[in-house]
Amino acid sequence: EAQVTQNPRYLITVTGKKLTVTCSQNMNHEYMSWYRQDPGLGLRQIYYSMNVEVTDKGDVPEGYKVSRKEKRNFPLILESPSPNQTSLYFCASSFGANTGELFFGEGSRLTVL
Amino acid sequence: GQQLNQSPQSMFIQEGEDVSMNCTSSSIFNTWLWYKQDPGEGPVLLIALYKAGELTSNGRLTAQFGITRKDSFLNISASIPSDVGIYFCAGPGNNDMRFGAGTRLTVKP
Repeated sequence: EAQVTQNPRYLITVTGKKLTVTCSQNMNHEYMSWYRQDPGLGLRQIYYSMNVEVTDKGDVPEGYKVSRKEKRNFPLILESPSPNQTSLYFCASSFGANTGELFFGEGSRLTVL
Repeated sequence: GQQLNQSPQSMFIQEGEDVSMNCTSSSIFNTWLWYKQDPGEGPVLLIALYKAGELTSNGRLTAQFGITRKDSFLNISASIPSDVGIYFCAGPGNNDMRFGAGTRLTVKP
């Protein structure tokens, strides 16, 4: 089954404790992206990757890092989480940046105390 | 970057009613997309529009790509309880997909 898988789905952590949210897709997509969803703000892009070893900042990259060592994986790293990073995070993938259909994971709800 | 203004922010309707929501932008888009997010899930593509003036239907859903390429609307006819969710318009930017803030739809049985 074609899918984008994120882990963990839910996480409560404390300020400053490094964490990684993993994302994996099995559709051989070149393009992958991370979004955060906050009430009233819709989906805002954090980072994206056009292909392996090619990553770039989105609209709200501060406090986040990403890597793309393999085509299928695109982890999101919070080196020192802060309460303003409490949010619902979505990983998405597609064949290309502008090809239309983005496939989303089920989301990871992160709470930073 | 390109901003998408989506309205209304939320809607409370009775089952069986029709729904209309729209999205506008100050910039031209060559593609308009509509996604739906069910509670607790990620967004899923409903309809894609690729040509100015295009009117596309998918079951009870109808969407149009505005002739100016700066707007789009989505209609849902004869709403049912499973239409509940957040609807997002989207358009491709240079290297990303731009999303509206979403329309939260509640359907009362």
